[in-house]
Amino acid sequence: GENVEQHPSTLSVQEGDSAVIKCTYSDSASNYFPWYKQELGKRPQLIIDIRSNVGEKKDQRIAVTLNKTAKHFSLHITETQPEDSAVYFCAARDSGTYKYIFGTGTRLKVLA
Amino acid sequence: EAGVTQSPTHLIKTRGQQATLRCSPISGHTSVYWYQQALGLGLQFLLWYDEGEERNRGNFPPRFSGRQFPNYSSELNVNALELEDSALYLCASSLGAGGYNEQFFGPGTRLTVL
Repeated sequence: GENVEQHPSTLSVQEGDSAVIKCTYSDSASNYFPWYKQELGKRPQLIIDIRSNVGEKKDQRIAVTLNKTAKHFSLHITETQPEDSAVYFCAARDSGTYKYIFGTGTRLKVLA
Repeated sequence: EAGVTQSPTHLIKTRGQQATLRCSPISGHTSVYWYQQALGLGLQFLLWYDEGEERNRGNFPPRFSGRQFPNYSSELNVNALELEDSALYLCASSLGAGGYNEQFFGPGTRLTVL
């Protein structure tokens, strides 16, 4: 069945360093890949997304890359700050069923 | 603009009982998605409603069901509760099927089955 693998499950970085989270999807019909940030006790919030016809998208310190051939997409956070500490989820949406499959999350800790 | 709301915040039930969870989408949104977030796991897709119809469901047994009302609010029903149903249940709303409409999540209902 459809599956999204997300790595690593936990990631600790020093403030100011970069963080990279990687996801691999199995459903070749996926055409939309959002990333969500969930702070402790709060709801997930969309931070960036990418469509299948785009290879890279950037928004200030956050960027997402997509390799459709390898079915990989990654989240890159530069110049990390303590407020970036949260759980990050990737997701892939099927273009036909509009079903979202989520990764299992990455707990990012930015150490001051 | 009010965000997605869910009720109740917490729900405690015993095994075998039924639970009803409610979700009110953002005004103008016609799509409602339901997800289960068990501890340590990602979001598992449960159900998707759009324009009052069930459009898709995830790999959950039939005792998980729901509906969407004419005002686009939705409820999730879980029958014959089992201990492993304990989780945070999140709903999300979006402008509708198709396109690349952002999902906005509610705060969730924490269901505990004893």
